Amino acid sequence: DAGVIQSPRHEVTEMGQEVTLRCKPISGHDYLFWYRQTMMRGLELLIYFNNNVPIDDSGMPEDRFSAKMPNASFSTLKIQPSEPRDSAVYFCASSRGTGRNQPQHFGDGTRLSIL
Amino acid sequence: AQSVTQPDIHITVSEGASLELRCNYSYGATPYLFWYVQSPGQGLQLLLKYFSGDTLVQGIKGFEAEFKRSQSSFNLRKPSVHWSDAAEYFCAVGPNAGNNRKLIWGLGTSLAVNP
Repeated sequence: DAGVIQSPRHEVTEMGQEVTLRCKPISGHDYLFWYRQTMMRGLELLIYFNNNVPIDDSGMPEDRFSAKMPNASFSTLKIQPSEPRDSAVYFCASSRGTGRNQPQHFGDGTRLSIL
Repeated sequence: AQSVTQPDIHITVSEGASLELRCNYSYGATPYLFWYVQSPGQGLQLLLKYFSGDTLVQGIKGFEAEFKRSQSSFNLRKPSVHWSDAAEYFCAVGPNAGNNRKLIWGLGTSLAVNP
């Protein structure tokens, strides 16, 4: 079975540009999570969706960040305008909806560098 | 406040030696507990989880973990480490009630294996 697919794997862009990260969850998974990982702060949950609806976006750093899930098989995380402090690895994860003990399955991440 | 503590930032062991990675949590009730592993340049992979029953759980790659309620701990163990086990290890806890699906993550323990 295909795992969580993220694109691009690497993104280098200049400050002020718009950045869009993409995620395709595992088919049949009802939950989708966006994380950011940095050396200083570790793994931070930005937002998660259930059945395409945002449930908790309290981790979104500021209004420059937005996330959408237009359908069950696709989600985007957008940063506009980007800043150097947004440089990090961004992970998408998905899980089944049946039971809280269902593990999250992670993609390989997008390594984002803002110059 | 809810938290997960992994006291060891970095551990180095010799190949073939035993391993124990510590995880302590602070939570209002018995949570679900997870251990994940992250190899360089990759996403996180589930090693094992605990949600009820036998407090000693077996996972993939020869890992096991023991839940000790009295100590609020969920330490990860392996009797004989292989060079391929060098990676970052994360402990996480999640709620066992309600609709919240957020996990609380430790900051990770980096494992190096000497030949």
